[in-house]
Amino acid sequence: GAVVSQHPSRVICKSGTSVKIECRSLDFQATTMFWYRQFPKQSLMLMATSNEGSKATYEQGVEKDKFLINHASLTLSTLTVTSAHPEDSSFYICSALGTAVAGYTFGSGTRLTVV
Amino acid sequence: QKEVEQNSGPLSVPEGAIASLNCTYSDRVSQSFFWYRQYSGKSPELIMSIYSNGDKEDGRFTAQLNKASQYVSLLIRDSQPSDSATYLCAAGSFGNEKLTFGTGTRLTIIP
Repeated sequence: GAVVSQHPSRVICKSGTSVKIECRSLDFQATTMFWYRQFPKQSLMLMATSNEGSKATYEQGVEKDKFLINHASLTLSTLTVTSAHPEDSSFYICSALGTAVAGYTFGSGTRLTVV
Repeated sequence: QKEVEQNSGPLSVPEGAIASLNCTYSDRVSQSFFWYRQYSGKSPELIMSIYSNGDKEDGRFTAQLNKASQYVSLLIRDSQPSDSATYLCAAGSFGNEKLTFGTGTRLTIIP
């Protein structure tokens, strides 16, 4: 089945630094990737949608200059949290949609802790 | 605004019984519906997808869709302790790739 690899699974960083999270579709081409954030005991909140080779579309209230998304190829999308602050601590999850696979495949998630 | 509503629970079901999870959606143009299972600290995994009115069965799971009532459900037969998780309902529209997720129902199977 379709597999999406997400790294790192867990990261702790200091306030003010930047963190990059990678999301790779291993066995299919992902035309669209989605980035979600999930706070404890809450549902998934869509942050942005990215299509290969074009700029990401951000949801209302999500700062595009803070959460940089790059979807340079059909198998790789990255999310960079810039100048991270403790309130950015959350569970970040990517999801990929491909033309040849049914449904949306989620990555394993990244637990970000900003200290 | 598109909304997907779920009872947050917790829903407690004895082992071996049928667990029934419900979901309603507000956007009438929604065409695709998904049930995801999420264990604590893990990412969601797809359980079922359904696109047409009626029932769809896969092993111990049955998804039911009623577009007239804008209602989706998931039945889990012969519930096992390993089914204890949060179940997320999601709806999507053809032509719009974004999914709208409900807040999830926490299910606990009691041994």
